[in-house]
Amino acid sequence: NAGVMQNPRHLVRRRGQEARLRCSPMKGHSHVYWYRQLPEEGLKFMVYLQKENIIDESGMPKERFSAEFPKEGPSILRIQQVVRGDSAAYFCASSPPGQSEQYFGPGTRLTVT
Amino acid sequence: GQNIDQPTEMTATEGAIVQINCTYQTSGFNGLFWYQQHAGEAPTFLSYNVLDGLEEKGRFSSFLSRSKGYSYLLLKELQMKDSASYLCAVRAGNYGQNFVFGPGTRLSVLP
Repeated sequence: NAGVMQNPRHLVRRRGQEARLRCSPMKGHSHVYWYRQLPEEGLKFMVYLQKENIIDESGMPKERFSAEFPKEGPSILRIQQVVRGDSAAYFCASSPPGQSEQYFGPGTRLTVT
Repeated sequence: GQNIDQPTEMTATEGAIVQINCTYQTSGFNGLFWYQQHAGEAPTFLSYNVLDGLEEKGRFSSFLSRSKGYSYLLLKELQMKDSASYLCAVRAGNYGQNFVFGPGTRLSVLP
């Protein structure tokens, strides 16, 4: 049973470009969470999704950021017009219905130059 | 608002016992989690408490007091590989729909 997969593991973008981060949850998991972690800081909740639904996006910046979890395929975190402050590690976690424990993916390290 | 506090750094000696404290103030409570995170890696699950009391799992134990908004993680027989950040997280929100993480405690285990 493969764990949570994220790709790419490392992503470099110039200011103004778009970044697309992908997360494939563990088999049987229908809940996906996205977190951002700045260097030397804790994890910050961004968004919680279930298949085709955004349940809680209270941690998402109001502009440039969006997330989806379609019926088929991975969950996508999309950052438009990236700025240097977007440089961080972005972690995805998944859990099955009714279970509290989250399983984390290896993260995508975004660097904006 | 949501707030979780942990000590920033701790140091302990190999073979010793260390207790990492966590206090929280959140809107809604649906469980408290401890994760271990080595530098540059993803967090890994250690423990989960939803009722008051102590949960023991091998060398690791976690305690919760909901009335005090307090938890601790106890690590026994410390090993060098236990050097990592330890993250306290609360499942919060009216429907338990999001996780609030503390800043993490960086533990250094010395020989």
